[in-house]
Amino acid sequence: GIQVEQSPPDLILQEGANSTLRCNFSDSVNNLQWFHQNPWGQLINLFYIPSGTKQNGRLSATTVATERYSLLYISSSQTTDSGVYFCAVPDTGGFKTIFGAGTRLFVKA
Amino acid sequence: KAGVTQTPRYLIKTRGQQVTLSCSPISGHRSVSWYQQTPGQGLQFLFEYFSETQRNKGNFPGRFSGRQFSNSRSEMNVSTLELGDSALYLCASSTHQETQYFGPGTRLLVL
Repeated sequence: GIQVEQSPPDLILQEGANSTLRCNFSDSVNNLQWFHQNPWGQLINLFYIPSGTKQNGRLSATTVATERYSLLYISSSQTTDSGVYFCAVPDTGGFKTIFGAGTRLFVKA
Repeated sequence: KAGVTQTPRYLIKTRGQQVTLSCSPISGHRSVSWYQQTPGQGLQFLFEYFSETQRNKGNFPGRFSGRQFSNSRSEMNVSTLELGDSALYLCASSTHQETQYFGPGTRLLVL
């Protein structure tokens, strides 16, 4: 099945700093999602981005499907950005979503 | 629209018991997926249902089962609970396996 790797595994930022999170996947995909899991466990959709670039406020994402990676950019980070960021792609067999191990982000005030 | 709801939110069971978790998808969503999240294994896919049919299943023992009803609500059952089944169980709904929307999860503790 498809493999998904995220980097870095952990990230500590000072409030106001920018960061880039990376997601590599081992096979071509037609679907990629980024999620943020808050400290209470709720997974929140950030982007559905099979290719191209999208922006939503301080967050933006770029997927280069031909090179099998996606990037999530967080600008002017805030303490509320803390949590775990996951990327997820469909497995090659279909109807099954594979998650990366996540990037744990802590933003210090 | 109301979001994905899961019940119960918290559950404590003892080894050997069985448990049933419920998930109500967003209105109009026919696909429901279940995931297990543990600190050691991360988010792992359990199964996916669409129109009452299981279309895929993850690598879990037969003690884990599920079903989907005609109104798209889904249940998952774990029989003969083991300590290692302690986890956050998440369900997600979508229209056609594109953008998935997650419920708040059920935290299961097995003692």
